[in-house]
Amino acid sequence: GQQVMQIPQYQHVQEGEDFTTYCNSSTTLSNIQWYKQRPGGHPVFLIQLVKSGEVKKQKRLTFQFGEAKKNSSLHITATQTTDVGTYFCAGNTGNQFYFGTGTSLTVIP
Amino acid sequence: NAGVTQTPKFQVLKTGQSMTLQCAQDMNHEYMSWYRQDPGMGLRLIHYSVGAGITDQGEVPNGYNVSRSTTEDFPLRLLSAAPSQTSVYFCASTKWGTGVTEAFFGQGTRLTVV
Repeated sequence: GQQVMQIPQYQHVQEGEDFTTYCNSSTTLSNIQWYKQRPGGHPVFLIQLVKSGEVKKQKRLTFQFGEAKKNSSLHITATQTTDVGTYFCAGNTGNQFYFGTGTSLTVIP
Repeated sequence: NAGVTQTPKFQVLKTGQSMTLQCAQDMNHEYMSWYRQDPGMGLRLIHYSVGAGITDQGEVPNGYNVSRSTTEDFPLRLLSAAPSQTSVYFCASTKWGTGVTEAFFGQGTRLTVV
């Protein structure tokens, strides 16, 4: 079954509001990556986190890796319409890369 | 630099037909994989390969075969299509081993089985 779960599955926000998606793995991950998929497109790599408790920022996006390396979060400050899409986390256990179930973000102008 | 080339983009099959989805990468990555994407299910791993001549099963391998005769190519074969295989399929080539782990995806194949 699915080893990496994300919540929420869907999120609608008004433009300017903040957004957070959470990723939880059933196993400890070596590292975690985040991807964004625009509607009708393919997933595109955003960032990788490796260290326990690591926090990285990309402009309005803040990524965090949990202390136990089993969970992660992506927070977007002051969403814009360009943030629309589905956000996936991904991690590997051995040679298998598992993607989360994804969070679909809709931004209402 | 083409990255990952995946064909076809769209396909309609009748139940019982077979077909091959093509995937090629020019980044010299050892790791390649196939995923299917269904609403609410995220990306589920079908098969993967850690190098030429080596393949292994992912989460949902039934009904699919793969081979990896070269580093560049990783085709996915549907043996006898079923309506449950209606999905969007993505091939990925992953830079892995040193530094950042990053998957590069093809454009996707939207498959409908009727």
